[in-house]
Amino acid sequence: ETGVTQTPRHLVMGMTNKKSLKCEQHLGHNAMYWYKQSAKKPLELMFVYNFKEQTENNSVPSRFSPECPNSSHLFLHLHTLQPEDSALYLCASSQAASGSYEQYFGPGTRLTVT
Amino acid sequence: RKEVEQDPGPFNVPEGATVAFNCTYSNSASQSFFWYRQDCRKEPKLLMSVYSSGNEDGRFTAQLNRASQYISLLIRDSKLSDSATYLCVVNAGGSASKIIFGSGTRLSIRP
Repeated sequence: ETGVTQTPRHLVMGMTNKKSLKCEQHLGHNAMYWYKQSAKKPLELMFVYNFKEQTENNSVPSRFSPECPNSSHLFLHLHTLQPEDSALYLCASSQAASGSYEQYFGPGTRLTVT
Repeated sequence: RKEVEQDPGPFNVPEGATVAFNCTYSNSASQSFFWYRQDCRKEPKLLMSVYSSGNEDGRFTAQLNRASQYISLLIRDSKLSDSATYLCVVNAGGSASKIIFGSGTRLSIRP
């Protein structure tokens, strides 16, 4: 329905595991985003890509590594996470990364780090 | 002061009532404003953009007050399906790094 899909929808991983989250948008947009949403906290912008180029990295720890092979696909590679990284990870896209355009969100990946 | 501040609520109102809530922002250079709604355990979805001249979409009206640095959302004739968390989004500059989400206002409509 939203035109932005995310897989997996749920993920449980140990602190020593390596996993990847995938996002795909079918809206013809040029910008893609990763957000983190923890309980009772506002959405936190993590990374922004515009035309496949990373334009923002909001002081995110290096255990989170984004990858954007093209304007339609976005990945978030995870390794040696901490329990406090458990959250809902949302992908979004917009026409461009100017901040003036509305964003369309995927359903999110609910991550639990054990 | 937080960059974007919302009353967390919950606002608990009867069906058919009119309800309004505000969102204040601290950066006077903010340029773009949006309201999103987020249902429980779902992703945020755009409700409406907020223009300088205001914006109306059916039962929903959004206003911008630059002098006092807040935006508002008015819901008329509220429906049970309006129950959700309403997120205020402010863009303080021309780049995506300046996009700030509020913590949201929880609205519950009772029969």
